[in-house]
Amino acid sequence: QVKLQQSGAELVKPGASVKLSCKTSGYTFSTSYMSWFKQIPGQSIEWIGMIYAGDGGTGYNQKFKGKATLTVDTSSSTAYMDLSSLTTEDSAVYFCARNWGDYWGQGVMVTVSS
Amino acid sequence: EIVLTQSPTTMAASPGEKVTITCRASSSVSYMYWYQQKSGASPKPWIYETSKLASGVPDRFSGSGSGTSYSFTISSMETEDAATYYCHQWSSTPFTFGSGTKLEIK
Repeated sequence: QVKLQQSGAELVKPGASVKLSCKTSGYTFSTSYMSWFKQIPGQSIEWIGMIYAGDGGTGYNQKFKGKATLTVDTSSSTAYMDLSSLTTEDSAVYFCARNWGDYWGQGVMVTVSS
Repeated sequence: EIVLTQSPTTMAASPGEKVTITCRASSSVSYMYWYQQKSGASPKPWIYETSKLASGVPDRFSGSGSGTSYSFTISSMETEDAATYYCHQWSSTPFTFGSGTKLEIK
């Protein structure tokens, strides 16, 4: 069955970077898209960007350009999102999801605090 | 950016009651998607391409609409349906979500 397994919770200091992972199984990774989303607890969901695993082509929400960088490793069927220059406003739960959102990871809480 | 305006923001329904949530888009979209999210969990796909039920979704749920006006309906509310529901458009980047409707059981 299709699974998207995200890495564990992160506590990071302001100004630092963090790399989140989304390890997949149960489907052909290289012919699918992966999107990433941000959700501050109690609020709605924001689309950060999307990557096509076949060629690494990306599309970003302008709001997150310079903040998020999406990559994939097809050898391990894993998608990654780098978040840079973190501030307290980046504290949120981040999700990965396949294609139109037919399968989602469990989410990872990123807390930015000194 | 296409803004999705969902209403109501919160509502409570009794078991057996019909529930309707609306989602209006600031520009026309090809399809609307709906997700269910319960506290502490990831969103679950619920309705895709406006009216198709995702795998495992009971047939008391339905979706309809076109252009800028879409709706999500539960024909007969059940306790397990209490959750937050979000509409979502994949037609135009940046892909956007509605603000959510928190549905409670009365």
